[in-house]
Amino acid sequence: QLQLQESGPGLVKPSETLSLTCTVSGGSISSSSYYWGWIRQPPGKGLEWIGSIYYSGSTYYNPSLKSRVTISVDTSKNQFSLKLSSVTAADTAVYYCASITIFGVSMDVWGQGTTVTVSS
Amino acid sequence: DIQMTQSPSTLSASVGDRVTITCRASQSISSWLAWYQQKPGKAPKLLIYKASSLESGVPSRFSGSGSGTEFTLTISSLQPDDFATYYCQQYNSYSTFTFGPGTKVDIK
Repeated sequence: QLQLQESGPGLVKPSETLSLTCTVSGGSISSSSYYWGWIRQPPGKGLEWIGSIYYSGSTYYNPSLKSRVTISVDTSKNQFSLKLSSVTAADTAVYYCASITIFGVSMDVWGQGTTVTVSS
Repeated sequence: DIQMTQSPSTLSASVGDRVTITCRASQSISSWLAWYQQKPGKAPKLLIYKASSLESGVPSRFSGSGSGTEFTLTISSLQPDDFATYYCQQYNSYSTFTFGPGTKVDIK
């Protein structure tokens, strides 16, 4: 049973880089059946897709965040990571990682989410 | 970019009611649409993928339909556990995703 767990600092200063890692268990991140994605949700607001990565390293980003986002994968650790640079208060959100099925192109397993606050 | 809209934004209903939520895409997305349920403080849960396929383990009272630009999520008989916010999500050929703004289903 696939499980995902986000980890990283809960507080980031403005203008710095937010870094989060998602650890995948119960399955291989090198599976050809999945992409791996990051999604965020500001307080009281809706869901925003940040970007996705395939185990091969191919990446896809939300155009509105593309200039600040880097997603990478570490197959040896069964992890993928998010870096968001030059953060502002508007980046305060719950950040989720999720598996994205190739077949249905939908997010079938989600991490529990981690709250990141941008504040000095 | 493909924009997604949902209607209504809020829906008040009673247990046993038939509930329908509509999602519209700004251009055709074929059947690349999914529906999620989210409860406060929890991660979203996948209900429907490819517009009308029921995710394993999801009760059969949930169903999805549509293609192209207009889609619906129907709950045939609303249960107490179904009061939540529902999001649609599209996937397009540029390998990007967009979520709709959400529909909150609350108790009438």
